[in-house]
Amino acid sequence: DGGITQSPKYLFRKEGQNVTLSCEQNLNHDAMYWYRQDPGQGLRLIYYSQIVNDFQKGDIAEGYSVSREKKESFPLTVTSAQKNPTAFYLCASSTQSKETQYFGPGTRLLVL
Amino acid sequence: GENVEQHPSTLSVQEGDSAVIKCTYSDSASNYFPWYKQELGKRPQLIIDIRSNVGEKKDQRIAVTLNKTAKHFSLHITETQPEDSAVYFCAIRGAGGGNKLTFGTGTQLKVEL
Repeated sequence: DGGITQSPKYLFRKEGQNVTLSCEQNLNHDAMYWYRQDPGQGLRLIYYSQIVNDFQKGDIAEGYSVSREKKESFPLTVTSAQKNPTAFYLCASSTQSKETQYFGPGTRLLVL
Repeated sequence: GENVEQHPSTLSVQEGDSAVIKCTYSDSASNYFPWYKQELGKRPQLIIDIRSNVGEKKDQRIAVTLNKTAKHFSLHITETQPEDSAVYFCAIRGAGGGNKLTFGTGTQLKVEL
């Protein structure tokens, strides 16, 4: 999991602003995932992508958008439509043939 | 969608004692059951996993048991140490498309000296 990086570590968002969280992996993994973590609620899936140029909504996709133009990168945009964005955001990746997901260090998003 | 319940939400044990965390799920077609450990402010780390064709798996002080009939699986930590203190999450992978995991709500384990 050392091959997955997320930036920034902390991010501040103003009202009405879109912000983008970065996730990069050098593990040659095909699949990538975005999770949101709130206290007492575990991890919830926002979006996932099994292959370049393809992605699917998870359980809580509203107010978020993603792209997968490169195998190594899966950025997440938190749009102004997401009314409660304060959370810890975790990116993960896995190969197609194995189920194990490896997590990045996370980005903590705070609203000003 | 898939649903998984995790209990207890907090668990306090004395050093050297055993700890058991249990998860129940609703989708009988679930086929992969990982456990993650997350220390404060850090990323979740996989500690053990089990697939639906196996009933038990051990790795040193950690074991996972799976009861497919009852639809529950448990994490067992023996001879607990202070460094075992963390939040533990179970997860399941349903039979639907993709490698989607559904996570439990976590158990805060505290190992006291």
